[in-house]
Amino acid sequence: EAQVTQNPRYLITVTGKKLTVTCSQNMNHEYMSWYRQDPGLGLRQIYYSMNVEVTDKGDVPEGYKVSRKEKRNFPLILESPSPNQTSLYFCASRGGQGYHEQYFGPGTRLTVT
Amino acid sequence: AQKVTQAQTEISVVEKEDVTLDCVYETRDTTYYLFWYKQPPSGELVFLIRRNSFDEQNEISGRYSWNFQKSTSSFNFTITASQVVDSAVYFCALSEGQTGANNLFFGTGTRLTVIP
Repeated sequence: EAQVTQNPRYLITVTGKKLTVTCSQNMNHEYMSWYRQDPGLGLRQIYYSMNVEVTDKGDVPEGYKVSRKEKRNFPLILESPSPNQTSLYFCASRGGQGYHEQYFGPGTRLTVT
Repeated sequence: AQKVTQAQTEISVVEKEDVTLDCVYETRDTTYYLFWYKQPPSGELVFLIRRNSFDEQNEISGRYSWNFQKSTSSFNFTITASQVVDSAVYFCALSEGQTGANNLFFGTGTRLTVIP
């Protein structure tokens, strides 16, 4: 089944404790991205990757890191989480040039206390 | 500048009523794509439809229909004979460019509650 998976689905952590949210897709998609969803703000892009080893900032990249060492994986790293990063996070992927639909993972609900 | 505006924050309707969710977008590109996603209470994002800027033909899929009007920069979504299962947050989104944009610009969403 074609899908985007994220782990963990739920995470409660404390300020400053490094964490990684994994994202994997099995559709051989070139493009992957991360969004965060906050009440009243919709979804905003954090980072995106056009292909392996090619990443760039989205609209709200502060406090986040990403890496793209393999085509299928695009982990989101919070080196020192803060309470303002409490949010619902979505990973998405799509095909390369000419493809427009993004397929979203199930979401990761992160709480930073 | 905000590129997608969903002015209706919350809407409540009684089951079987029709309801229209509004979406107004802003872009300078002549090639762009518009999307609607549904987010049910379980939280996942469900793709509903994609339209490109060159196709203003309205689309109907069962109880769902979409009205795309470039003249007013709107891409409205109508649910006919609403059902409780339609209760969700609905997002309109914009993707700019011909090659596949790096970003989807989302509206802030409209929460639809269908009352039995």
